[in-house]
Amino acid sequence: KAGVTQTPRYLIKTRGQQVTLSCSPISGHRSVSWYQQTPGQGLQFLFEYFSETQRNKGNFPGRFSGRQFSNSRSEMNVSTLELGDSALYLCASSRESTWSGDGYTFGSGTRLTVV
Amino acid sequence: DQQVKQNSPSLSVQEGRISILNCDYTNSMFDYFLWYKKYPAEGPTFLISISSIKDKNEDGRFTVFLNKSAKHLSLHIVPSQPGDSAVYFCAASPTLNAGNNRKLIWGLGTSLAVNP
Repeated sequence: KAGVTQTPRYLIKTRGQQVTLSCSPISGHRSVSWYQQTPGQGLQFLFEYFSETQRNKGNFPGRFSGRQFSNSRSEMNVSTLELGDSALYLCASSRESTWSGDGYTFGSGTRLTVV
Repeated sequence: DQQVKQNSPSLSVQEGRISILNCDYTNSMFDYFLWYKKYPAEGPTFLISISSIKDKNEDGRFTVFLNKSAKHLSLHIVPSQPGDSAVYFCAASPTLNAGNNRKLIWGLGTSLAVNP
């Protein structure tokens, strides 16, 4: 079966711009979580969506937002980009009934560079 | 403040020997722990997990040990193979059915190099 698909794989943006990243979960998975990975901070939880509703949120500023569509695809948006937003953004999907961490399947990520 | 700590950023081991990756946590509410492996340019993949009702879980060459009193867990890989070279992340979570507390808290990872 197809895995978690994240697009684009690489992105270069300028400070102050905004960016939208996309994630298509595994078919049948209704939960999508987003993580930011940086060398110094590791994987930091951004938010989780389930059935088009944000179910959980990490400690990121309001510039970071997301949404989920009826087909479970999710997008995350970062407005007014800062240099510190440069990171690998990972999306993970899971079936609601099997969430226990091991139910997470990650995509390959979007590498965002802010210049 | 890191609630999940992997104090060794890197580890180098000879092929065939044992690899031991360590993880410490500070939050006593954590009761479910996972290890993920990550290759460059790929997302993390689930490796093995353990709940707090156990002190050991084994899956093939991989064994995770949990010492709740010390708030410490370790991943043993025996025997180590060159294909095991990757970054290993430890992650922790509070009670499985904790409602909104479903997010995983991750360590910074340990880069394992298995030399032929």
